[in-house]
Amino acid sequence: SQQGEEDPQALSIQEGENATMNCSYKTSINNLQWYRQNSGRGLVHLILIRSNEREKHSGRLRVTLDTSKKSSSLLITASRAADTASYFCATAYPKSSGDKLTFGTGTRLAVRP
Amino acid sequence: SQTIHQWPATLVQPVGSPLSLECTVEGTSNPNLYWYRQAAGRGLQLLFYSVGIGQISSEVPQNLSASRPQDRQFILSSKKLLLSDSGFYLCAWRSRDIGGEAFFGQGTRLTVV
Repeated sequence: SQQGEEDPQALSIQEGENATMNCSYKTSINNLQWYRQNSGRGLVHLILIRSNEREKHSGRLRVTLDTSKKSSSLLITASRAADTASYFCATAYPKSSGDKLTFGTGTRLAVRP
Repeated sequence: SQTIHQWPATLVQPVGSPLSLECTVEGTSNPNLYWYRQAAGRGLQLLFYSVGIGQISSEVPQNLSASRPQDRQFILSSKKLLLSDSGFYLCAWRSRDIGGEAFFGQGTRLTVV
């Protein structure tokens, strides 16, 4: 079963605006990761945040993690049309729990030029 | 550098026929390997994962099986395909030691008719 649930399911914004996506999960994790998928392609890793971290930045991406609420958010600042894609969070279980990596339901982002 | 190969890219198979999808990884040793299925417009469902040769963990009971005959080879199989097996199948690997990001193949679009 999928570990994470994401919202919104779909998001449409104007180029230059910020996009925020949220992810909730159910059990203890080792780390949480965000991926991007262009239509009909494989996923590409964007950023990883460990369970003992609260915030992480990479270029125009900002990720937060709240382990007490079992939630994470991905913020894309100053969005571009090329950011149009589906975004997924993934939760990594500890090795003691099998080293699984499970994905959320995804957010489809459309950035209008 | 590491690469992951997944083939074929597309496949149309009749109901009741067998299936074999192959995934191979180059440039790394002892990877964790994963098979996911993605329904149209949906998230990724973890099907199988493997932490070593011959070691397969199944997430969801279904009409599929997986095997890992070699360290860097992961095969997804079915003896008799069902219509519900249609979907986008993705293979991925992660470093067993680091447990960080996953690297995905380009996927196989399977249509069962």
